[in-house]
Amino acid sequence: EVQLLESGGGLVQPGGSLRLSCEASGFTFSTSDMIWVRQAPGKGLEWVSGFSNGGRNAYYADSVKGRFTISRDNSKNTLYLQMNSLRAEDTAIYYCAKGTWGCCWGQGTLVTVSS
Amino acid sequence: DVVMTQSPLSLPVTLGQPASISCRSSQSLVHSDGNTYLNWFQQRPGQSPRRLIYKVSNRDSGVPDRFSGSGSGTDFTLQISRVEAEDVGVYYCMQVTHWPPLTFGGGTKVEIK
Repeated sequence: EVQLLESGGGLVQPGGSLRLSCEASGFTFSTSDMIWVRQAPGKGLEWVSGFSNGGRNAYYADSVKGRFTISRDNSKNTLYLQMNSLRAEDTAIYYCAKGTWGCCWGQGTLVTVSS
Repeated sequence: DVVMTQSPLSLPVTLGQPASISCRSSQSLVHSDGNTYLNWFQQRPGQSPRRLIYKVSNRDSGVPDRFSGSGSGTDFTLQISRVEAEDVGVYYCMQVTHWPPLTFGGGTKVEIK
């Protein structure tokens, strides 16, 4: 069974940084595409970043390009999202999901950017 | 970027009655490999999204057969043949054909009348 467990969210001031983690199990993580999707309070789903081609290519939404960095540690079956220069509009629940098709999602981790 | 437009925004339905959600894309979702990468997700209140349908009409494992997907090109539909109480939530379409970026529809809230 595919399981994804996000962590690392919390309250951070504007301009600050956070690193989110997504620990994966139940599938071959090292060859899997992975994505991050966020959901602002009361809003819809927004794709943030993702790996394709088995993790060789990384992509970003324009809204986070230059501020967020996706990475992975295949030895730990873990996906990361380093978030710098955070803004109020980055406040959201952040989900990781398996594959660009989004077959399976974690429970999410809440990031709140506020002074 | 491909814009995904869903309608209606809100869908009140009587238990046991059918429901239909429309999703339109700003350009054809037929990939150069011949597949159409259009998925549907359900998000129940307080839960993470769950994929129901992939590649237009393929139900995921464990998804009740009252859910079905159809469509082609730029017009797609998610149908629920007989709505049950557990179907309450927000439904999203998502295209993968022209990624990056992945793009979602704005969501349709299904509620019981």
